[in-house]
Amino acid sequence: AQKVTQAQTEISVVEKEDVTLDCVYETRDTTYYLFWYKQPPSGELVFLIRRNSFDEQNEISGRYSWNFQKSTSSFNFTITASQVVDSAVYFCALSESGGGADGLTFGKGTHLIIQP
Amino acid sequence: KAGVTQTPRYLIKTRGQQVTLSCSPISGHRSVSWYQQTPGQGLQFLFEYFSETQRNKGNFPGRFSGRQFSNSRSEMNVSTLELGDSALYLCASSSRIYDTEAFFGQGTRLTVV
Repeated sequence: AQKVTQAQTEISVVEKEDVTLDCVYETRDTTYYLFWYKQPPSGELVFLIRRNSFDEQNEISGRYSWNFQKSTSSFNFTITASQVVDSAVYFCALSESGGGADGLTFGKGTHLIIQP
Repeated sequence: KAGVTQTPRYLIKTRGQQVTLSCSPISGHRSVSWYQQTPGQGLQFLFEYFSETQRNKGNFPGRFSGRQFSNSRSEMNVSTLELGDSALYLCASSSRIYDTEAFFGQGTRLTVV
């Protein structure tokens, strides 16, 4: 069975600090996909990134970066120079089907609070 | 282009009633997935439809059902509502089965009293 653990329930930092959100996953499949989504107060989930299990390259997109390590089954997300607009709940998710939003197993989420 | 539209946004129902929620995907998208979000269980996958066929289903009782129409719009139905069905129901659309990115709607907040 698949499982995603986000041990940090809530993180609060001051604006401009760097922050890392942890994600640990469990799966028996050798082919799987990992995702990060952001949920602002308006409720919709906003797609941030998808990674497949064969691609361990780290990814950087502006102030966002992701570190995928199969050896520790982790897919951590770092926000550099955080801003108040980054405040939201962030979800890590795992899928064995890989398509769109089909069959995602989500973690419980990390509530990120960026204080001005 | 217009995003994923879910209607209604808010709904209050009584225990034992049934409810139908609607999801209109982004134009051209053929895959629609449904999720239930509650404070206790978090986000849980309900089912996924592609070209009017249910391809995948989560671990929910038979009271939860869905369908997809030829225009890709999808509905989900919950019969014999229970208090525990109170949740935010989210749908997501993507254009192909193995699309990288899915787009979520703002959800329908269902309250069962």
